[in-house]
Amino acid sequence: AQKVTQAQTEISVVEKEDVTLDCVYETRDTTYYLFWYKQPPSGELVFLIRRNSFDEQNEISGRYSWNFQKSTSSFNFTITASQVVDSAVYFCALSEAQNDYKLSFGAGTTVTVRA
Amino acid sequence: DSGVTQTPKHLITATGQRVTLRCSPRSGDLSVYWYQQSLDQGLQFLIQYYNGEERAKGNILERFSAQQFPDLHSELNLSSLELGDSALYFCASSFGSEVTNTGELFFGEGSRLTVL
Repeated sequence: AQKVTQAQTEISVVEKEDVTLDCVYETRDTTYYLFWYKQPPSGELVFLIRRNSFDEQNEISGRYSWNFQKSTSSFNFTITASQVVDSAVYFCALSEAQNDYKLSFGAGTTVTVRA
Repeated sequence: DSGVTQTPKHLITATGQRVTLRCSPRSGDLSVYWYQQSLDQGLQFLIQYYNGEERAKGNILERFSAQQFPDLHSELNLSSLELGDSALYFCASSFGSEVTNTGELFFGEGSRLTVL
């Protein structure tokens, strides 16, 4: 069973638009961690955020914000006032105790920001 | 720059061959993880080493093996290569044996393997 679902395969926006990436996860663990990674066209994986299952506070970092809702098992990511440099594939990932905290990645969402 | 170094960046080889991918973790990190990114399987965990010992195994084929050396660098060996092994292979490192210990997992830039 897929543990992390990113239903949006591709999103295309015009610069300065906001874009929200959905992430729904599945786990039976009470302690788990959720991550977002960015993969720009150059290919590397860039860490964006980690959130543990006991901290449901939303977080904002510059133009990035994250909305964690345990009730709906979602950890959504919003880019405000998107820029061309935000064009990348974004991955949501889950780590759980039952899997030795190894990361299970979603399929990724490709974001294209047009000038 | 994550501090994790992977070589080679690109590798093209033929079916049936064997290749070795190398990873140097960030200074001070004891854990090394290998992940495979392919078009059909996405990003998948292969194997983890912690301070020289195998710690966890994921979806790693028997044709693949890895090791971590005393200087903590790691090598992933892929043998009897098939077309389907073409993928981007990532190495990541962390200080502790679990991702939770450090809060983030630092990934290298990956080694892109093409099997023809």
